[in-house]
Amino acid sequence: DIQMTQSPSSLSPSLGDTVTITCQASQDIRDYLSWFQQKPGKAPKLLIYEASFLETGVPSRFSGRGSGTDFTLIITSLQPEDVATYFCQQYSDLPLTFGQGTRVEI
Amino acid sequence: QVQLQESGPGLLKPSQTLSLTCSVSGGSVNVGDYSWNWIRQHPGKGLEWIGNLYSNGRAEYNPSLKSRVRISEDTSKNQFSLILTSVTAADTAMYYCARDAPYYGSGTLYPFDHWGPGILVTVSS
Repeated sequence: DIQMTQSPSSLSPSLGDTVTITCQASQDIRDYLSWFQQKPGKAPKLLIYEASFLETGVPSRFSGRGSGTDFTLIITSLQPEDVATYFCQQYSDLPLTFGQGTRVEI
Repeated sequence: QVQLQESGPGLLKPSQTLSLTCSVSGGSVNVGDYSWNWIRQHPGKGLEWIGNLYSNGRAEYNPSLKSRVRISEDTSKNQFSLILTSVTAADTAMYYCARDAPYYGSGTLYPFDHWGPGILVTVSS
């Protein structure tokens, strides 16, 4: 299985800050990586696919970069509604696997 | 707009069989290049992919659960189902159904762009 390692596990930025979350794959997954946002009691919501493509309707303060094994989710100018847990997920190979999540609290 | 909705029992006893259904609206489970997936999330934990079903009837399963899992479809009802046998407390989780987005990729697997709201399943004696 491809292991996905996210860091940090949690962070407490201030409103307006830029937040950076990293995700490392245990092997080359090219750009077959997505990022999800999950709010309490809700299903995950797709933010980014193919490492850097923004899902329709997602604010442009969210961006993704990376390829191969190292990936980054960046949230610029953090807003109150961005409080959530963020997961990365690889879809390079089965079984599909997720990172353990990064909780963003203000 | 595709919508998914999970249904099934919320409470089971150890050794029982879990049966969940995902009802799909706004799309057909037997049309297109989509895969129809089951994913679970243990309380306060990360996400675990259980398996999926393609419109041609082919299914793929996570090896960690493969011996206990079966995913099937009911095209007459536009639903797909999850069967998980011999449940234990370790199967207590929120269970989600999700569809992937082949129009979002250039490979053979694709990101999930539609999810159901989830159903909490508790296994307890």
